[in-house]
Amino acid sequence: DVKVTQSSRYLVKRTGEKVFLECVQDMDHENMFWYRQDPGLGLRLIYFSYDVKMKEKGDIPEGYSVSREKKERFSLILESASTNQTSMYLCASSFQGALPNYGYTFGSGTRLTVV
Amino acid sequence: AQTVTQSQPEMSVQEAETVTLSCTYDTSESDYYLFWYKQPPSRQMILVIRQEAYKQQNATENRFSVNFQKAAKSFSLKISDSQLGDAAMYFCAYTYSTEGGSEKLVFGKGMKLTVNP
Repeated sequence: DVKVTQSSRYLVKRTGEKVFLECVQDMDHENMFWYRQDPGLGLRLIYFSYDVKMKEKGDIPEGYSVSREKKERFSLILESASTNQTSMYLCASSFQGALPNYGYTFGSGTRLTVV
Repeated sequence: AQTVTQSQPEMSVQEAETVTLSCTYDTSESDYYLFWYKQPPSRQMILVIRQEAYKQQNATENRFSVNFQKAAKSFSLKISDSQLGDAAMYFCAYTYSTEGGSEKLVFGKGMKLTVNP
């Protein structure tokens, strides 16, 4: 069964801490994505990567960075966590240029609370 | 800008009845894909149904079907014979290609569906 695995389901961190959210996929997908999900705002794209060591900013990249050293792993980094980064974080992956397009495969999410 | 609009934040339906979830989108492209995702309390986003824009025939997956109106940029989801397990957040999404050639998925804000026994 194909999977996108997020390392933590729940996480509590203190303001100012450096936070790493890890995501691993076993489908050999080229594309990987980090979304943030907030009530009433839906899913908003933070960063995405279409290849190893490649990254592109999404719609809300401020306060975040990413790392993709290996094809299967895509990390989201909060350099200095703030309370307004308390949210649900979803990782997803997809094939590059695959036709027909079957959309994304998602992880189960990490609920991050910054106190 | 690529946008997806789900105008109803919440809906409810009686078990075994039919409900329709609305979605509109904005795009200047002619070829694209549309999706409905379901997110139950477990938080796992599950693909419910997909539609290729170049296909006129509406997609159907068991009790789920869509009404795709390309000219109106409308993509509604019909759930027939609603079941308690259909209770979830439902997200409409649209995929498009960026200038760099990669694809991005844009989501609506979601709609919470309650199924009453």
